[in-house]
Amino acid sequence: GAGVSQSPRYKVAKRGQDVALRCDPISGHVSLFWYQQALGQGPEFLTYFQNEAQLDKSGLPSDRFFAERPEGSVSTLKIQRTQQEDSAVYLCASSWEQGAEAFFGQGTRLTVV
Amino acid sequence: TQLLEQSPQFLSIQEGENLTVYCNSSSVFSSLQWYRQEPGEGPVLLVTVVTGGEVKKLKRLTFQFGDARKDSSLHITAAQPGDTGLYLCAPKEGYSTLTFGKGTMLLVSP
Repeated sequence: GAGVSQSPRYKVAKRGQDVALRCDPISGHVSLFWYQQALGQGPEFLTYFQNEAQLDKSGLPSDRFFAERPEGSVSTLKIQRTQQEDSAVYLCASSWEQGAEAFFGQGTRLTVV
Repeated sequence: TQLLEQSPQFLSIQEGENLTVYCNSSSVFSSLQWYRQEPGEGPVLLVTVVTGGEVKKLKRLTFQFGDARKDSSLHITAAQPGDTGLYLCAPKEGYSTLTFGKGTMLLVSP
C-alpha cells in the first residue's frame, strides 16, 4: 500500500480481555517499530523488528505485551489481560532500513474499560 | 540515559504570531529530527539536522541545531491554523531506535 496501515483504528476492550493490533508496513520496508502514546505525550518506544527478527523489546512494559512479525512483513502487537493503564494510542512505523526515515501509521486507539 | 526536554509543553497563539519551541538534552547526538503530529494521525517527519550550528528552513519553519549538538529550536513565522499539532523532537545516535521527547502542543487560533 501507499502508507503504513493499522487496524483496527479504535478498539474498546473490557479489562482482562486479550487484544491484537495489526500493522501493515510499507511494502519492502525492513525495519518496523511499535510505540505507545498516552494522551498529550510523545510516543514511547515498545519494540523493534528487522525483517522477522525482534532485535529490541526493551520498551515492552510487561510480559503481557507480545509482538511478532513472522514473515518479515505484517506485525501484530498482542496485549493479554488488558488493564486500564494500557489505554493509549499504539503507533506502528516502518522504514526501508535501520536509521532511515520512519513512516508512521495513524495508530490504534485502545480504550480499556 | 539521556534526559530530553521540550518546552513549552503547550502553546496557544493567534494566527499571524511568531513562536519558538525548544528541545534540550543532556547528551550529544549525531543528528536530530523534528516531527509534527496532527490530531488522529501519526507523526510526520519535518526535517533532520546533522551538523552543529546547522540551520534549515522549510517555508515558514526554521530549524536550528545547537553548536554542541545537544539542543535544537524550531521557529515558526506568521503561524497559521494548519500549523496546529504536536511538535516532537527525536535525537538520534547512529542507527539507534527513534526516541521522542514529550512534545510541544501548539494551537493556532484563527
